[in-house]
Amino acid sequence: TQLLEQSPQFLSIQEGENLTVYCNSSSVFSSLQWYRQEPGEGPVLLVTVVTGGEVKKLKRLTFQFGDARKDSSLHITAAQPGDTGLYLCAGSRSNDYKLSFGAGTTVTVRA
Amino acid sequence: DSGVTQTPKHLITATGQRVTLRCSPRSGDLSVYWYQQSLDQGLQFLIQYYNGEERAKGNILERFSAQQFPDLHSELNLSSLELGDSALYFCASSVSTGRTGELFFGEGSRLTVL
Repeated sequence: TQLLEQSPQFLSIQEGENLTVYCNSSSVFSSLQWYRQEPGEGPVLLVTVVTGGEVKKLKRLTFQFGDARKDSSLHITAAQPGDTGLYLCAGSRSNDYKLSFGAGTTVTVRA
Repeated sequence: DSGVTQTPKHLITATGQRVTLRCSPRSGDLSVYWYQQSLDQGLQFLIQYYNGEERAKGNILERFSAQQFPDLHSELNLSSLELGDSALYFCASSVSTGRTGELFFGEGSRLTVL
């Protein structure tokens, strides 16, 4: 069983549409990160959120950390083909050092 | 380029064999992490080292072992290989063990066990 559950598993949309990816858990996290991974490469960090209720914006990407620090979402506005990739959320709890990853959401943006 | 170097990039071997994967972290990074990525399990944390000492352990099999050397490079040893060990193995590094720190990942070593 994954500590972090991501949904949906796959998402295919047309260029210009919006999309939201969810990351949920029953555990409380001291911080949560979002990474993007492209084929043949390792994951690359997009953002870190640490405060419950925190919202961070990175150009067309908006990240939100739930008030209870158990969940997070990633929203992409006006998606572009360059946004295609595997989006992974990762969290660490206050009682351990390891960073646990969700299974990921594969996003495909069609031109 | 993340600055993390992993070798080899691809490895094909037979069941029962032993392999060693190597990782050189980014210059200045003291922490090294090993992850296994497979299609059905996603990215699974194996083990973390900080400045030569084991810091955290995940679901690492007893057939697997790792170490971090004084020059901070790390090796992951996989023995008595089974078909199910076929996966991408990623090394990542960070400056510290801080829980909000960014992990920089290498390009991975793709292991195929036949």
